[in-house]
Formats: sequence, structure tokens, C-alpha cells
Amino acid sequence: SQQGEEDPQALSIQEGENATMNCSYKTSINNLQWYRQNSGRGLVHLILIRSNEREKHSGRLRVTLDTSKKSSSLLITASRAADTASYFCATDDEDSSYKLIFGSGTRLLVRP
Amino acid sequence: NAGVTQTPKFRVLKTGQSMTLLCAQDMNHEYMYWYRQDPGMGLRLIHYSVGEGTTAKGEVPDGYNVSRLKKQNFLLGLESAAPSQTSVYFCASSTLGTGAGQPQHFGDGTRLSIL
Repeated sequence: SQQGEEDPQALSIQEGENATMNCSYKTSINNLQWYRQNSGRGLVHLILIRSNEREKHSGRLRVTLDTSKKSSSLLITASRAADTASYFCATDDEDSSYKLIFGSGTRLLVRP
Repeated sequence: NAGVTQTPKFRVLKTGQSMTLLCAQDMNHEYMYWYRQDPGMGLRLIHYSVGEGTTAKGEVPDGYNVSRLKKQNFLLGLESAAPSQTSVYFCASSTLGTGAGQPQHFGDGTRLSIL
């Protein structure tokens, strides 16, 4: 069963604007990860946030985590056409320390 | 570095045929995973391995078998392909488990069509 659910399913913005994607999950987690998938390619790890962290930055990426609401958000600032991709959140499985459970993803289109 | 390499990249099978998908990683990772991705959905775990010689079932294991005879290779087999197995298959690897906060490294996928 899917743990993370992203919102919105699709997002279209102009280059230079900020993009915000949200992820909700159902069970307790140790950490939450965000991945990017370009068309026809595999997933690439972007950033990981642990359950005891509230915010994390990496370049133009900002991730927040609210464990009380079981939700996370990914903010991409000053977007570029090259940011066009699908973005997935993934959480570890409370029953297993080996598995990731992925959401259905947000498709981001950045228009030049 | 090659990272995670999947072969073949594309394949078309007829219902009932068998085939093996190969995944190879050169990062000396202990953990390896097979996922399938269907349109509009995230990845679903088929099988995984926490070390050479070990395998375990994931979320959707039916119709698939796996083997991890060598640390660097993880094979996914379809014994009797069915149209419902038409999908994009991704292999991934990681140094430690997800509970330890380790990212997974993915190959570029195998696009499999079952007619």
C-alpha cells in the first residue's frame, strides 16, 4: 500500500517562480526522502529529512517536515526549465528498516 | 562510475514467455531492490535483498522470482509473463537500510511489454 501521497498531482509554473509540492503519509517514520525522476530515467535522490528535523536546505531545495500532521513539503526556489520532472516522496516502512514506500508523485512543468 | 545498470532497456514478450532482468551495481552496496512503476503511480516494491544469498518479498511479489548469487547482481525473473506485468521495472541499491537514512540509487529502468 502507498504511504506517501503527493499534492498536487501536476503543477505548471513559469521559469523563475517557486514550486511547492506536498506529501502526506500515514504511519510513524524515521525519515522521509524526496526523489526526482526525469522522463524516461530512474529516480535520483534529492534530500533526506529525519523525523527529529523540521527543515532542511540543499541549494534551491527546502524541505519541511511536520510529524504531528504527518506531512512534508518540498520547495524549489527560482525554478528552471531543467527542473521539469516528476517528484516523489518516500518514507521508510515502520515494519521494516529496509524498505521505502513511495507516493504517486507530482509532475512539475517549468515553462521557459 | 556506472552506478546501477539494468539490462535490457526494452523488451517485448508474448504471454507465457519467460525472461530474466539483470541488475548490476558497482558501489559495493549490500541492499538491492526491484520495483515496478505503472502509469500515474509511484514505485511498488517487488522483491528485495539485504545481502548476497538473501532475498525477501515486497509489496507485489506474485509472478516474480529473484536471485542474489553475487553481491553486485540482482536478477528478476518472470516465469510465465502476463499482460498485467507490462510495466517499467527499476532496480535500486543502497549501502544500508532505509531506517538508517540511506538513499537508494536507481538504474534507468527496463520497459517491458507483454502482448
